[in-house]
Order: sequence, then C-alpha cells, then structure tokens
Amino acid sequence: AQSVTQLDSQVPVFEEAPVELRCNYSSSVSVYLFWYVQYPNQGLQLLLKYLSGSTLVKGINGFEAEFNKSQTSFHLRKPSVHISDTAEYFCAVNGMGNQGGKLIFGQGTELSVKP
Amino acid sequence: EPEVTQTPSHQVTQMGQEVILRCVPISNHLYFYWYRQILGQKVEFLVSFYNNEISEKSEIFDDQFSVERPDGSNFTLKIRSTKLEDSAMYFCASTLGAQGSPLHFGNGTRLTVT
Repeated sequence: AQSVTQLDSQVPVFEEAPVELRCNYSSSVSVYLFWYVQYPNQGLQLLLKYLSGSTLVKGINGFEAEFNKSQTSFHLRKPSVHISDTAEYFCAVNGMGNQGGKLIFGQGTELSVKP
Repeated sequence: EPEVTQTPSHQVTQMGQEVILRCVPISNHLYFYWYRQILGQKVEFLVSFYNNEISEKSEIFDDQFSVERPDGSNFTLKIRSTKLEDSAMYFCASTLGAQGSPLHFGNGTRLTVT
C-alpha cells in the first residue's frame, strides 16, 4: 500500500519569488510519482511525472521536481512564480506492478501567489 | 488533444434520490476510474474498471455505488440512494494502463445533495 503526505496545506508567496511544495511518500514497493495541478473549477492536469532515470524531472509551466529515494520525497519547485500559478497542487503515487495506473493522492497544497 | 469529458458539471439532488454521473473517457484508453473530492479534502480513489469489470474498489465504494460502461464509450457512476455526505466533486479518469502512464482527468461533476 502507498500513502502520500504533503506537508504544507497552504503556501503564500509573492510574485517572482521561488517556491517549493513538499511531498513525502510511503510505499513497500517502488513507485511512480506525479504532480497534478487543479485550477479553480477545473479538473486535475498533469504537471510532471517521475518514472525512472534522472531524478530531476521538468514539467509544464516551468515547474520541476526532484525524486529523492533515500528521503522518500518528491518536492516540486519553481524558481519564479506568476500570479497564474495560483492553484491547488497534488502529489500522487502509483506503485509499480499495480495494474493500470491507480493513483493515491496527497492532501493538496494551495499555492497563493500575491502581487 | 483528446480529453475526458464529464456531464453534468453540476448536479443537485435530494437525499434518497438516485443519480447517474456520466463520463466519456479518451477513446483508446483501457482503464477507467472514479475519484471523489469532498470540499477541502483530498482526492480519494473510489473504483477502477478494466475489461468490463471492476478491478479494484475502495471502502467508500459500498453497495450504494455502481459503475457501468454501457456502450463502449460512456462510463457511468450511479449512486442509488444519495446521502448528504455524498456531496462532493466526482472526477472521472482514464489511462492506457501501461506502467507509469498518467491518468487523464475530466473537469468533474459537482454533486450537491440537499
């Protein structure tokens, strides 16, 4: 079984500042890791994913995340945020060997970018 | 780019009534899912569906819930007798199913039970 913990429920930040959204996971098997973004009144959109290989993965909208196996973390970062990045961000995990792609989500982090 | 579509976007129903939430997954996808998000809470897995049968379901997915793929394109979630606590956003998702292939989500149906 897998679980995901997002350590910050809300992250306020000023425009053009850097941001890091933290995610830790627990699993008895190797995992695939994902970050999704949810804009107001919309569905979940894939930001990026880690499957294997380089531990630093780049996604859409200038976001990147780093997989750290020893710390079981997959933190999301952006060097300079925009007002339009205001949204809810969800970290999710899929255990390798699971049929299909069932995801387990974290609680979400609300990123609020202020001018 | 193909997308998952859900209808209606908002459904209001009275407690005890049956509701059907509809989804059209991406056409070549093989695995289908329903997730639920109660206001202010995490996105929770309800059920996965593959090869015309349920492959996995969570504890939330009790006898009040059922899923169906009636015609090869639609994927529906039925709640037989709604309760106040069923009020939530319901998301449909689909994926090809290959290892690591991401889920594609619809925009959701907001269900309000009064």
